[in-house]
Amino acid sequence: QKEVEQNSGPLSVPEGAIASLNCTYSDRGSQSFFWYRQYSGKSPELIMSIYSNGDKEDGRFTAQLNKASQYVSLLIRDSQPSDSATYLCAVNLISSGSARQLTFGSGTQLTVLP
Amino acid sequence: DGGITQSPKYLFRKEGQNVTLSCEQNLNHDAMYWYRQDPGQGLRLIYYSQIVNDFQKGDIAEGYSVSREKKESFPLTVTSAQKNPTAFYLCASRDSSEGTEAFFGQGTRLTVV
Repeated sequence: QKEVEQNSGPLSVPEGAIASLNCTYSDRGSQSFFWYRQYSGKSPELIMSIYSNGDKEDGRFTAQLNKASQYVSLLIRDSQPSDSATYLCAVNLISSGSARQLTFGSGTQLTVLP
Repeated sequence: DGGITQSPKYLFRKEGQNVTLSCEQNLNHDAMYWYRQDPGQGLRLIYYSQIVNDFQKGDIAEGYSVSREKKESFPLTVTSAQKNPTAFYLCASRDSSEGTEAFFGQGTRLTVV
């Protein structure tokens, strides 16, 4: 099992729709979760961070965390063509060594169709 | 402006050659990281450092080496032992607190010619 797993995609949604991106993780002790957006050929940029169970909203973006199910998701409301990018889920979990490190999923490519 | 600077943006390596990728940050962050990204893939951790003069191997350290002589700098050397080095390399830093986000440089695209 991968340590951080995302729905494989690619995902296409029409403009104005809700895009739903999902992520599961292996380390039950993880406390910090992040969603990054990466445009083609560019470096990742942070969209949302979430640390507590429940929902966290920021504009059109909502992050949802369920630690019992080891599941974190990102909803994008009123999707725009400019949202077309790869979305990376990152979790602070025990990987190499004993300290928790930021570990990334393989990403979900989102295309918003005009 | 605070940030992370990677150089060069593009790098070409001949077979059997060592190359060094530069990463400098002025965010006063203790922790620095190197990730590799292959097309259509996520980020894989190569090396990380949580303090000056100390660094740890990540998941794919073979064929790579690093140093951390200064807090601001964390260069990555891709050695000739790395058989498939063509990839996008990303340097990141963050505050040592576990819950903080990582900030990324603009990346270096390395190609073997």
